[in-house]
Amino acid sequence: KAGVTQTPRYLIKTRGQQVTLSCSPISGHRSVSWYQQTPGQGLQFLFEYFSETQRNKGNFPGRFSGRQFSNSRSEMNVSTLELGDSALYLCASSLVWTPNSPLHFGNGTRLTVT
Amino acid sequence: GIQVEQSPPDLILQEGANSTLRCNFSDSVNNLQWFHQNPWGQLINLFYIPSGTKQNGRLSATTVATERYSLLYISSSQTTDSGVYFCAVDNNRKLIWGLGTSLAVNP
Repeated sequence: KAGVTQTPRYLIKTRGQQVTLSCSPISGHRSVSWYQQTPGQGLQFLFEYFSETQRNKGNFPGRFSGRQFSNSRSEMNVSTLELGDSALYLCASSLVWTPNSPLHFGNGTRLTVT
Repeated sequence: GIQVEQSPPDLILQEGANSTLRCNFSDSVNNLQWFHQNPWGQLINLFYIPSGTKQNGRLSATTVATERYSLLYISSSQTTDSGVYFCAVDNNRKLIWGLGTSLAVNP
């Protein structure tokens, strides 16, 4: 069974640009969540989607948005990039949207903003 | 909001040594999970442990929810155990993460 796939693995963007990251969950998993990891702030929850609906959102500005498609694949978008958006963005999938459903993480997309 | 503190922040071991990592959290939580992030950034779920004790090979974890802490035990450490260990508490499906314990196991 294929794991969680995130594309691309690496991205370099310039301040002010926008970026779209993609996450394909494990087959059959319907919940996808996104996390930002930086050396200073550690891992922070961005948002979670289940059945194409955003179920939870972290404390990030509106420049960070996401969506989930009918096949459970998810994308997150960051507009008007800032230097501080440089981070490892991790996606996780789980079978259902309950606290008891273990999370499976992808390898992440490393975004560098110059 | 809920605070999660992990200790120690850094740990260096010789192969074969045992260690205990601690995670304190500031409020009641639905769940607690331990993760290992390898040097390539991959996060692996080790334990899903809201309370009690679980064991998986050389690793075991204990959560005392009433006292708001969890412990991760690593026995007979191996170089492949190197990486960062995170605990994360579930606050209504928002995982709140500690800053991790960075473990280096030397041969």
